[in-house]
Amino acid sequence: QQQVKQSPQSLIVQKGGISIINCAYENTAFDYFPWYQQFPGKGPALLIAIRPDVSEKKEGRFTISFNKSAKQFSLHIMDSQPGDSATYFCAPQDTGRRALTFGSGTRLQVQP
Amino acid sequence: EAGVTQFPSHSVIEKGQTVTLRCDPISGHDNLYWYRRVMGKEIKFLLHFVKESKQDESGMPNNRFLAERTGGTYSTLKVQPAELEDSGVYFCASSRGQNYGYTFGSGTRLTVV
Repeated sequence: QQQVKQSPQSLIVQKGGISIINCAYENTAFDYFPWYQQFPGKGPALLIAIRPDVSEKKEGRFTISFNKSAKQFSLHIMDSQPGDSATYFCAPQDTGRRALTFGSGTRLQVQP
Repeated sequence: EAGVTQFPSHSVIEKGQTVTLRCDPISGHDNLYWYRRVMGKEIKFLLHFVKESKQDESGMPNNRFLAERTGGTYSTLKVQPAELEDSGVYFCASSRGQNYGYTFGSGTRLTVV
C-alpha cells in the first residue's frame, strides 16, 4: 500500500519559471508536512515544512500549499534557478512516531 | 556545527559477507534514525534510537539487520549475511528531542554482488 503519492516523477522548467510538485497522502495521523531537497551524493535536507493548522507557508521563493480535506500538499518554487536542480521529496510525518514516510521523489531540472 | 557523518561512503561486498555501516550524529542529538533507499524504491524508515534505546524498529526488514548505538553516541548497522536485495543507499539522520527537522548524512552506498 502506497501511503504517499508524489508527482510528477520528473520536471523540466525554464529559468525564471514556476516549479510545482504535488504530494497526496492517505494516513490521517500525519501532522507535519515537510519537503526535502537532495543534491547528488548528498542526503536529503529539510527545505520547508508546514503544520496542518495553516493552509500556506512561504519562505523566500519556496511555498507550501496544504489542503487538509483533500489530503494533499504541494511545493511551489517561484523564479526557479539552475541551482534548484535537485530531487525533491515530500515526507509527511506522524510526529507521535517520528518516522518520515517519503514520496518517490521528483527530479527537477531548471534549464538556463 | 559538524553534520551527520557516515562511513564508508561506498561499500562493495559479495553475497553472504558481513558489512557494518557507521553513523556519527550531530553532537547533542539524542534522536538517531536509519533509512534506506533500494533501487527504484522510496526512501524507507528502518529504525529510531533515542539515546541508546531503540524507540521504533518497525522498519527493519529481517533479522539479518542489527543496529546498535553504544553509549547513545555513534550507531552501527550490521548486515549479516548480506543478500543481493540489500543493495541501496543507507542514510542516517539525527535530530534534537523537540526539533522535528532531521539532519541527514550523505549516505552509504552498499552494493552486494
